[in-house]
Parts: sequence; structure tokens; C-alpha cells
Amino acid sequence: QQQVKQSPQSLIVQKGGISIINCAYENTAFDYFPWYQQFPGKGPALLIAIRPDVSEKKEGRFTISFNKSAKQFSLHIMDSQPGDSATYFCAASNNNNDMRFGAGTRLTVKP
Amino acid sequence: DAGVIQSPRHEVTEMGQEVTLRCKPISGHDYLFWYRQTMMRGLELLIYFNNNVPIDDSGMPEDRFSAKMPNASFSTLKIQPSEPRDSAVYFCASSHFGMNTEAFFGQGTRLTVV
Repeated sequence: QQQVKQSPQSLIVQKGGISIINCAYENTAFDYFPWYQQFPGKGPALLIAIRPDVSEKKEGRFTISFNKSAKQFSLHIMDSQPGDSATYFCAASNNNNDMRFGAGTRLTVKP
Repeated sequence: DAGVIQSPRHEVTEMGQEVTLRCKPISGHDYLFWYRQTMMRGLELLIYFNNNVPIDDSGMPEDRFSAKMPNASFSTLKIQPSEPRDSAVYFCASSHFGMNTEAFFGQGTRLTVV
């Protein structure tokens, strides 16, 4: 079922560093690409999302970069903080409510 | 609004027993989704409803799984009989316009079948 490949599986970053998580998708019909953040014992929560008409979207320290021709998108977390330590999921969906999630990246930000 | 509310938070049951998971979506949301999360398979869509009507249940693994949405404020996911491989975290999510917009997830129900 998985049509979205996410890497790395885990990531350790020092406080203040940049965290980068990458995703690739297959289905060209996907037109909505969200990133969800999940803390232990909680459900995923939308962090930031992009549609394919733009190549980049920035919200605070979080940026999505989108490459439509390569069918890839990535999440950049600038000035990473210990509070950012969580599991991050990329996803892709189309207007038929067919959303596929990546396998997740466990981010640890060390103080 | 309190968000999507799921109950119970944890459920431990014996193989062969019936399990019912419950979900209260955010008021006004037209879409409700049931997901299952495991280490091996990640987040998988089981079924979703639009205006209380099941639209796509192709993700439901077997006939042992069933879901209902009798009204706009309540949905259940039932497993009968339960098996150890059903052990997972089950999430309910709701959305105003479908999965192509922001979806709000509940805190999940951690099911353990022994």
C-alpha cells in the first residue's frame, strides 16, 4: 500500500542544527503533501503542507521544499530544538481521499 | 471544541473476544477516517465516511473488522473475533473537506490482543 518512501528512519541533530527529512512519491495524481508531527502517546498533528503549484513553503522554522519533476519533497527544520523531538510523517494524497503516509522519521534533538 | 475523542485509550483483550473502539469527531466535520498504526506497516487507512456514509472500506483487512457511523458525532470500529495480529494503535481522524486538507487525529486506542 505504501507509495511514499521516507528517509531517514531516524535522525539525531544537535540543538540549533538543521533537520532534513526526505520523501519521494510515485503517483502523479497526488496533489497535497502534508507533514505530520507525532509525539509519543499522541495522534499525528498537521505541521505544514504544500500543494504542487509552489516549490517551497515556509512557516516559522519549518520549510517544505517540493520538486514536482523529481516527485520528491522534503522537510527542513531550522534551529532545531529539543522540543522538536518527535516522529515526523510525510504524506501524499489526491482529491479521492487516497492519502498515503511515509514510514516515519524519529527525530532526536540533543541539547 | 475538544478535538477528536477516542475511547478507550488502552484495551487489552483475549484472542477471540469482540473489541469495540469508539470515536467522536470534531463537530461540523463531514469526513471521518479510521487508521491503524503498527511498526511494520506504519499508518494505514482502514475506512472512511463522508456524511456518515462509508465511502471506501478497501483498507479493512478482513471481515472480522466492521465500522459504523450511526450519526455525525459517533463512530465505532469493531473487531470480532480479535486476533493477536490485530494489536496496534487505532486512530480516528476527522476533516471538514476530506484528506486533501487538514485532518485532525484523536489520541488513539492502543489495542493489545493476548
